[in-house]
Amino acid sequence: GDSVTQMEGPVTLSEEAFLTINCTYTATGYPSLFWYVQYPGEGLQLLLKATKADDKGSNKGFEATYRKETTSFHLEKGSVQVSDSAVYFCALSDLTGGFKTIFGAGTRLFVKA
Amino acid sequence: EPEVTQTPSHQVTQMGQEVILRCVPISNHLYFYWYRQILGQKVEFLVSFYNNEISEKSEIFDDQFSVERPDGSNFTLKIRSTKLEDSAMYFCASSRKRASYEQYFGPGTRLTVT
Repeated sequence: GDSVTQMEGPVTLSEEAFLTINCTYTATGYPSLFWYVQYPGEGLQLLLKATKADDKGSNKGFEATYRKETTSFHLEKGSVQVSDSAVYFCALSDLTGGFKTIFGAGTRLFVKA
Repeated sequence: EPEVTQTPSHQVTQMGQEVILRCVPISNHLYFYWYRQILGQKVEFLVSFYNNEISEKSEIFDDQFSVERPDGSNFTLKIRSTKLEDSAMYFCASSRKRASYEQYFGPGTRLTVT
């Protein structure tokens, strides 16, 4: 079945450092890909999405490019802030997979001032 | 901006008791979902609901779970006889179209079974 694998955390960075969180996926169909963010004590928020190969999703300085050849959707940000500290979830949904979204395990990011 | 709301934010119950978790999806959305997140673990799909019936359910969603849309706005998850392992954060989500589009998540209900 469909699955999402993302790098284990926690990831600890200093403010203004470059962030990469790796995400790869397995899907039987042609999925849409998402990154969700969960701030401490809060629910899930959609951070960005991409629906077809080579699409780049971007929001709040974060970017991720849908790479079909490597089945990847890595999250990047050029300069992180303390306020970016959260758990980041890579996810996919696939029309052939029914109505659900499948999440990766999540990567906790700590940003130090 | 419209948002999904959930009540209560935290529910504590004793093992064997019934609980009902409530959600108000975004008003023009047609697809509704429940997910759960056991502490420190991944978010897991429980069930999807469309046109007043279950569209898909996971193996977690056994006979002790049920969902209902009792009126035009609420969407509920009932756990008939709670077990310790039901302790988790439960998220409701809704979407305007099928899951290839983003789902909007509520803030979650933390369920603690003692």
